Amino acid sequence: DAGVIQSPRHEVTEMGQEVTLRCKPISGHNSLFWYRQTMMRGLELLIYFNNNVPIDDSGMPEDRFSAKMPNASFSTLKIQPSEPRDSAVYFCASSYQVSPPLSGANVLTFGAGSRLTVL
Amino acid sequence: DAKTTQPTSMDCAEGRAANLPCNHSTISGNEYVYWYRQIHSQGPQYIIHGLKNNETNEMASLIITEDRKSSTLILPHATLRDTAVYYCIVRPGGTSYGKLTFGQGTILTVHP
Repeated sequence: DAGVIQSPRHEVTEMGQEVTLRCKPISGHNSLFWYRQTMMRGLELLIYFNNNVPIDDSGMPEDRFSAKMPNASFSTLKIQPSEPRDSAVYFCASSYQVSPPLSGANVLTFGAGSRLTVL
Repeated sequence: DAKTTQPTSMDCAEGRAANLPCNHSTISGNEYVYWYRQIHSQGPQYIIHGLKNNETNEMASLIITEDRKSSTLILPHATLRDTAVYYCIVRPGGTSYGKLTFGQGTILTVHP
């Protein structure tokens, strides 16, 4: 299993440009999570999907951020327009979750992250 | 959500056991305790989880107190590669679809 695959691993862009981060979850997993990590705020959950449907996007900072999951094997996180304060490492994670969720455990597998620098 | 409290940092000698404490005094009856770690420049990695009983796997052991208000992660023979930030997380119950909220964690430094 290749694990959760994220691209690009590093992205440097200028303020105002559009940024698209990509994620391929583990095959068979039906839940997908986007996290952002900064020194100041630590790991923050931005949005998560279950069976390709967004369940909770309350962590998305503002309208400049959008996430999609067109199918079970692909998700994107888009920032348009980007700002210097968006500089962070963005992690994608996936898991298998029965629906509706039971009280049992749910283990997330994280990708290696995409380091974004907005100048 | 039940909150967790962890020491900011800890040191451990290589080859010795590392015992990382976590306080979660407001945990609910159906909430699990999870431990993840994050090695520098990598994504978080799952270690272990438990509900009431002590748990052990190839990576670590998890000791949960009887009242479930605290737990300890034990790395039995720490190596330099175990240097990382360790996160203790309590999973929200209900329709959370596995949502995990990370705190600041404990920075564990294993030294020779």
